[in-house]
Amino acid sequence: SAVISQKPSRDICQRGTSLTIQCQVDSQVTMMFWYRQQPGQSLTLIATANQGSEATYESGFVIDKFPISRPNLTFSTLTVSNMSPEDSSIYLCSVPALVYPYEQYFGPGTRLTVT
Amino acid sequence: EDQVTQSPEALRLQEGESSSLNCSYTVSGLRGLFWYRQDPGKGPEFLFTLYSAGEEKEKERLKATLTKKESFLHITAPKPEDSATYLCAVPFLQGAQKLVFGQGTRLTINP
Repeated sequence: SAVISQKPSRDICQRGTSLTIQCQVDSQVTMMFWYRQQPGQSLTLIATANQGSEATYESGFVIDKFPISRPNLTFSTLTVSNMSPEDSSIYLCSVPALVYPYEQYFGPGTRLTVT
Repeated sequence: EDQVTQSPEALRLQEGESSSLNCSYTVSGLRGLFWYRQDPGKGPEFLFTLYSAGEEKEKERLKATLTKKESFLHITAPKPEDSATYLCAVPFLQGAQKLVFGQGTRLTINP
């Protein structure tokens, strides 16, 4: 399984500002996923980040609010823009296994608090 | 629409008291079901993949089983270190590598 790291591990931000979260994988992967986990809730997929193409966003998530970069096969960033307290969540990146059925492996998460 | 429902939402057991967690799903053509463990403040840790009805997987005190409509995570003689949230997930219909998660069961094992 891949080893995934995220930075920062946590942050406290003021409303109206933006935060960029980094995700680094120890092997090359085609797909990376970004999830949000609101307090006490399960994981919700934000978008799929493919290297060399635009990210694909799920219903309810838009590029202006959550721009994603995928400059190479081991790295991705998620920016949470113009933050409000409702954006307070844990943000997780994940990568799929190389073979079917492609279980996913997760990073440690970034805990974001917006005040 | 693919849906995953877990029950109970929370379960509190005494150390050594066995029980089961449930994950029911409505998907068109199951392409695997995954169980994860999540400790507070950490990312989910992969536990099991189940492919087809009748399949079973075991790891220490955990055993996962799968039928055509649901999966069970049986925990036998649990210890306090088994306390965590247990999540199940299935792949989306539209994209096999995207997952939809259940709400999770928060398991607490009292010593």
